[in-house]
Amino acid sequence: QSALTQPASVSGSPGQSITISCTGTSSDVGGYNYVSWYQHHPGKAPKLMIYDVSNRPSGVSNRFSASKSGNTASLTISGLQAEDEADYYCTSYTSSSTYVFGTGTKVTVL
Amino acid sequence: EVQLVQSGAEVKKPGESLKISCKGSGYSFTSYWIGWVRQMPGKGLEWMGIIYRGDSDTKYSPSFQGQVTISVDKSISTAYLQWSSLKASDTAMYYCARRGNGGYFDYWGQGTLVTVSS
Repeated sequence: QSALTQPASVSGSPGQSITISCTGTSSDVGGYNYVSWYQHHPGKAPKLMIYDVSNRPSGVSNRFSASKSGNTASLTISGLQAEDEADYYCTSYTSSSTYVFGTGTKVTVL
Repeated sequence: EVQLVQSGAEVKKPGESLKISCKGSGYSFTSYWIGWVRQMPGKGLEWMGIIYRGDSDTKYSPSFQGQVTISVDKSISTAYLQWSSLKASDTAMYYCARRGNGGYFDYWGQGTLVTVSS
């Protein structure tokens, strides 16, 4: 069970939009609508940002949106703000009835 | 308010055993799965496994099968992660998380730092 593939880093200037990809297989991302995204500041608890591919939990800014096409899911952050600087991880349910994380993406606000 | 409160940091020697805990409150503990996640120093998050209601319905990620044991005591709304013989490579931050009513984890514990060193 290999980790889902994410770019190691993505950066953007304040106000810009960035997109983070998350590529898996038909046994995880492509097979289920159970992709979620987490924002993580090291040493703190991860925070759920998107669930079930494209749904935002209450309290999460609508600047965060997500989608899926085939075996690749994507998270878009619009109107980038300094507070968005963090590590972002995707997760998918798998055919083994467990979960797999993405490799993680460090978002830097220039 | 839903909360998951984890036990405190641990410093252990290689070969020792350890059991860390995650106590849930503010919701019906027996109605949700609890998962465990590892983050080794400078590395990404890794799913270890999940357990439901302490009825032996436990799923382990292949990398952790046989390496750790996940259990639950529903009488005190607490999930556990344990090792029988720690290695230096078990040094990491460990998080517990509640699985919501879908394929996501909506509430997280604050993390337990485990350090294994001779």
